[in-house]
Amino acid sequence: NAGVTQTPKFQVLKTGQSMTLQCAQDMNHNSMYWYRQDPGMGLRLIYYSASEGTTDKGEVPNGYNVSRLNKREFSLRLESAAPSQTSVYFCASSSLGLAGGWETQYFGPGTRLLVL
Amino acid sequence: KNEVEQSPQNLTAQEGEFITINCSYSVGISALHWLQQHPGGGIVSLFMLSSGKKKHGRLIATINIQEKHSSLHITASHPRDSAVYICAALTSGSRLTFGEGTQLTVNP
Repeated sequence: NAGVTQTPKFQVLKTGQSMTLQCAQDMNHNSMYWYRQDPGMGLRLIYYSASEGTTDKGEVPNGYNVSRLNKREFSLRLESAAPSQTSVYFCASSSLGLAGGWETQYFGPGTRLLVL
Repeated sequence: KNEVEQSPQNLTAQEGEFITINCSYSVGISALHWLQQHPGGGIVSLFMLSSGKKKHGRLIATINIQEKHSSLHITASHPRDSAVYICAALTSGSRLTFGEGTQLTVNP
């Protein structure tokens, strides 16, 4: 199993350009998440998808859109990139229904994005 | 005030020392997650616990639900333990609220 994969690993954009970050998991997980990590801020949730066909805003959704294409894939789109979106982006997934009602999240390797 | 706070922010230790990283939270949680982020950036899950104590190798995690506090202990620390350690509270549904992380450096 590859676990959670993300592409690309690195990306440099100019202000105003658009791009899509891809994420896929092969663990048959229901829930998927997009986070950004900035120095001194910790990880912050951008969007999440509790199941195929549903998406919800997290803590910092402005400037982003997401698509839960199918159970495996959850993409994050920046329509018009801004320097404030320079960050490291992590995708994660988890499976609902474990004993005790809580679950481990599995993280992808991250995408480093620089917006000039 | 952050909902999840960790201390210390930075910790330097000598190889072999016993290490403690603390996490306090102000929200209601169903469980608490300890994560390790390697220098290369990858994040792995260490523990998820909702009560008591868990042990894996040289790592021990404890949680006191009444006091809203968790600790991560590393016994016989080694330079390869150098990483950022992050605690995260599992709140509503399956959402995690993260602390800022503790940068641990273990010197040989």
